[in-house]
Amino acid sequence: QKEVEQNSGPLSVPEGAIASLNCTYSDRGSQSFFWYRQYSGKSPELIMFIYSNGDKEDGRFTAQLNKASQYVSLLIRDSQPSDSATYLCAVPGANSKLTFGKGITLSVRP
Amino acid sequence: GAGVSQSPSNKVTEKGKDVELRCDPISGHTALYWYRQSLGQGLEFLIYFQGNSAPDKSGLPSDRFSAERTGGSVSTLTIQRTQQEDSAVYLCASSLSPGHIYGYTFGSGTRLTVV
Repeated sequence: QKEVEQNSGPLSVPEGAIASLNCTYSDRGSQSFFWYRQYSGKSPELIMFIYSNGDKEDGRFTAQLNKASQYVSLLIRDSQPSDSATYLCAVPGANSKLTFGKGITLSVRP
Repeated sequence: GAGVSQSPSNKVTEKGKDVELRCDPISGHTALYWYRQSLGQGLEFLIYFQGNSAPDKSGLPSDRFSAERTGGSVSTLTIQRTQQEDSAVYLCASSLSPGHIYGYTFGSGTRLTVV
């Protein structure tokens, strides 16, 4: 049974700061990881995926994966009020069924 | 279609009634998933379809829940004798194939309220 934990939050940062969102997972065999963003009242949208140890950058977003420690992080640089949302970490299993964490709610203060 | 379409967007029903929730996936997507999201909870997997078959129904919470998919396209999730704990947002997602790991596209969901 895959488990995904997102225990920190809610998180509040000032505009322009770096927001750091963390996620740990239980299955050492997990190969890939997803970050979804969910605005209030909306459906989740995929913003990043990562499958190699290290960092993956896409614009202001950086995903970091450490398989030895079984955690994956999402860094948001130069945070904007429009980044205020709930961020969900997810791990795929058989048939791409995703196991989601409960999410971290980020609030960016203008 | 251009995206995953779900209907209705909102449904209020009385306890004990049956409800049907519909999902129309992206054209050509063979894999279809149902999740639900309760207030303050993460997304909970319900069922997975590959074509018209459901090889994984492990997330259906009780035998009051069932789902079918026809023509490899539209799927219907049916909840019989609804209970208040069934109140949640029901989300459908589709992907090109089950091995297509680069995430999948969610519909906008059906918000079910059982009163």
